[in-house]
Amino acid sequence: SAVISQKPSRDICQRGTSLTIQCQVDSQVTMMFWYRQQPGQSLTLIATANQGSEATYESGFVIDKFPISRPNLTFSTLTVSNMSPEDSSIYLCSVRQGGQETQYFGPGTRLLVL
Amino acid sequence: QKEVEQDPGPLSVPEGAIVSLNCTYSNSAFQYFMWYRQYSRKGPELLMYTYSSGNKEDGRFTAQVDKSSKYISLFIRDSQPSDSATYLCAMTSGTYKYIFGTGTRLKVLA
Repeated sequence: SAVISQKPSRDICQRGTSLTIQCQVDSQVTMMFWYRQQPGQSLTLIATANQGSEATYESGFVIDKFPISRPNLTFSTLTVSNMSPEDSSIYLCSVRQGGQETQYFGPGTRLLVL
Repeated sequence: QKEVEQDPGPLSVPEGAIVSLNCTYSNSAFQYFMWYRQYSRKGPELLMYTYSSGNKEDGRFTAQVDKSSKYISLFIRDSQPSDSATYLCAMTSGTYKYIFGTGTRLKVLA
């Protein structure tokens, strides 16, 4: 399986600011995803990061709040914009390799917004 | 009703016990079923992956799917303190979109 790293691993931010999270994979992958994991809740898919085109967002998530880039097949970023305390969560990158149904997750970024 | 239901626990068992973790679901279109293990402050790690109904065994872990009852299970034999983690079930009809349970926290006591 692919080895996935995320930066930063954690951060504490002030409300109204923005944070960009990076996801790096050690091999080319067909699909990359961004999830949010809030305490006591199931993992929720934010969007699919598409290489060379705009991300595909799930219901309840919008590009202005969560802009995503994917410049190549091994790297993606998620920005959490104009943060509020409700954005405090773990943000996870996952990947799906060609021909496989399974997804593999990065270690996550723990975000606390004050 | 949630698409996937999973008891949050915590579930505490003594070392060596057989652990049974379960999820129920409502969408009969689900065909692929996964179990992830998540240690504290880590990302989910894929443990088991099964397609359709039946059993799959890997070492001390057995995944079971009963599509007629819309019920999946993960059994851990000879549980160890290192198995203490949160276990997440996930399922999909075959698209990239996974539906996750909320996770069951397991504690194996030495």
